[in-house]
Amino acid sequence: SYVLTQPPSVSVAPGKTARITCGGNNIGSKSVHWYQQKPGQAPVLVIYYDSDRPSGIPERFSGSNSGNTATLTISRVEAGDEADYYCQVWDSSSDRVVFGGGTKLTVL
Amino acid sequence: QVQLVQSGAEVKKPGASVKVSCKASGYTFTSYGISWVRQAPGQGLEWMGWISAYNGNTNYAQKLQGRVTMTTDTSTSTAYMELRSLRSDDTAVYYCARSGVDTAMSPMDYWGQGTLVTVSS
Repeated sequence: SYVLTQPPSVSVAPGKTARITCGGNNIGSKSVHWYQQKPGQAPVLVIYYDSDRPSGIPERFSGSNSGNTATLTISRVEAGDEADYYCQVWDSSSDRVVFGGGTKLTVL
Repeated sequence: QVQLVQSGAEVKKPGASVKVSCKASGYTFTSYGISWVRQAPGQGLEWMGWISAYNGNTNYAQKLQGRVTMTTDTSTSTAYMELRSLRSDDTAVYYCARSGVDTAMSPMDYWGQGTLVTVSS
């Protein structure tokens, strides 16, 4: 089955740029969605179809996808961005949804 | 505004069944599907399956095939997820999320608040 690999943790200082990667075999050929989950809350969609932002999500959140890596980029990081982030794809070979293991973003 | 409101927390014994509900409002229920996702304590997200609210088509995760059943009641705009033969490792928060009407390929753009299911003897 298809596997998505995320770093367990990423740390960044306020005001800097955070990049969270999601690795998968030829992931560039798939559509990637990203979710933000704060402690005790349900996940929130922050990027869909690689780089689109739902209404209400700040422009500081952006996404890209190419080759074997998709990336969620958060510019001008704020304390409120501290959360777990999950990437997700649709695996057409198995007809199943696949989530990455999640990345904990810490704002220093 | 789109809302998905789930039923309350449950405590079950091993071997029992649980049925979680997810009541939708703020959109045309039959124009979308519902995915179910669970999260064990301290763990990541695990997709359980999807149901189309339009025609009832389902797609279940391989590891839950035979133990899970997803249904909808279009008269009340409510989706249900039943999990049988519960084990301790089924202890998790269970989420419903709005998804595509034809497949689970679409992003999950609105989520319920989650339902904690605890399996313990």
